[in-house]
Amino acid sequence: AQSVTQLGSHVSVSEGALVLLRCNYSSSVPPYLFWYVQYPNQGLQLLLKYTSAATLVKGINGFEAEFKKSETSFHLTKPSAHMSDAAEYFCAVSEQAAGNKLTFGGGTRVLVKP
Amino acid sequence: ETGVTQSPTHLIKTRGQQVTLRCSSQSGHNTVSWYQQALGQGPQFIFQYYREEENGRGNFPPRFSGLQFPNYSSELNVNALELDDSALYLCASSRDRSNEKLFFGSGTQLSVL
Repeated sequence: AQSVTQLGSHVSVSEGALVLLRCNYSSSVPPYLFWYVQYPNQGLQLLLKYTSAATLVKGINGFEAEFKKSETSFHLTKPSAHMSDAAEYFCAVSEQAAGNKLTFGGGTRVLVKP
Repeated sequence: ETGVTQSPTHLIKTRGQQVTLRCSSQSGHNTVSWYQQALGQGPQFIFQYYREEENGRGNFPPRFSGLQFPNYSSELNVNALELDDSALYLCASSRDRSNEKLFFGSGTQLSVL
């Protein structure tokens, strides 16, 4: 069985500051890992994905994440927060054999202060 | 290229009733997955349909059922609604069952009173 833990249900950052969202996973087999963003009243949009290629993954909107197998982590970062980054962010995992059936974490809501 | 569309956007039902939610997949996609997102939680996988057949199911009771049609659109049916079924129901389509890129619709907000 696989699971995802996102540390911190809410994160508040100042505009221009570093955004760091933490994600730890458990999986008995090599996983695929994802970060999705959800804006109010919208569905989920893929930010980036790790599928066993480069461990540092660059995504859209200036976000990136690093896969660390030894730490079973896949933390999401952005060097400089923008007001438009205010949203909820979800980390997700799937087993490679399971294709695209995702297990999501509980989400982290990001508030950006001017 | 049209995206994933879901209908209706909002729905109010009473306990014990039945509900049908609909999803049109993105053009060229043959796989549809359904997720339930309760308030303040992450989405939970309900089931997936690939070429009109169920291709995996999460930990949901049999009163949650689905269909996929020849045009790859899909329905989610929930019988004997319970208060805890109140949630945002998300549909996601993908090019095939192994392709890791999911495209999500905006969801149907179901309230059970």
